[in-house]
Amino acid sequence: GAVVSQHPSRVICKSGTSVKIECRSLDFQATTMFWYRQFPKQSLMLMATSNEGSKATYEQGVEKDKFLINHASLTLSTLTVTSAHPEDSSFYICSAREGLAEITDTQYFGPGTRLTVL
Amino acid sequence: LAKTTQPISMDSYEGQEVNITCSHNNIATNDYITWYQQFPSQGPRFIIQGYKTKVTNEVASLFIPADRKSSTLSLPRVSLSDTAVYYCLVEYSSASKIIFGSGTRLSIRP
Repeated sequence: GAVVSQHPSRVICKSGTSVKIECRSLDFQATTMFWYRQFPKQSLMLMATSNEGSKATYEQGVEKDKFLINHASLTLSTLTVTSAHPEDSSFYICSAREGLAEITDTQYFGPGTRLTVL
Repeated sequence: LAKTTQPISMDSYEGQEVNITCSHNNIATNDYITWYQQFPSQGPRFIIQGYKTKVTNEVASLFIPADRKSSTLSLPRVSLSDTAVYYCLVEYSSASKIIFGSGTRLSIRP
């Protein structure tokens, strides 16, 4: 149980294009999903928190107009990197949390998406 | 200031018990501590979660002292396949912050 998938696993795009990454909870309903970014040999940094049916909450320093997040259903959240630039190249990882008990419910992570912007 | 601190790296040998400590000085009463394992180019994998005292599952134990300002992940009898980066995660309710530790790179030798 508690499986989270991401698609695609790897994407290479040209500078200035937009890229969409999907995050799905396969065997549970996720009221909250999180998006993280991880640079080489660094820890995960939270970018934003999304709750189904409402606007995402972005961390300080993360541009909401550049990283568009949609959480349209209890099993799907998408992250769109708009007008991508080489500095956006990173490993993007989503996580999902089941239920409304925010204090105790565990975050389960997807396998990650490696974005390379040329 | 909410902060989650871990040692950068640790080395051990197959069959040994490994203990990795995480410091979380500003943890609040309702905050849980969660540990993850991450292999290169993969998402973190849940290991164990705890609130106080001791929690044990089939792969690890988590020890949390009374003041809860630190926690220790204990891996019994490690094998080569346990070579990975281990992260502690605290969701600081008072600061509305989710902060991963810097990660501990564990290397297991034969």
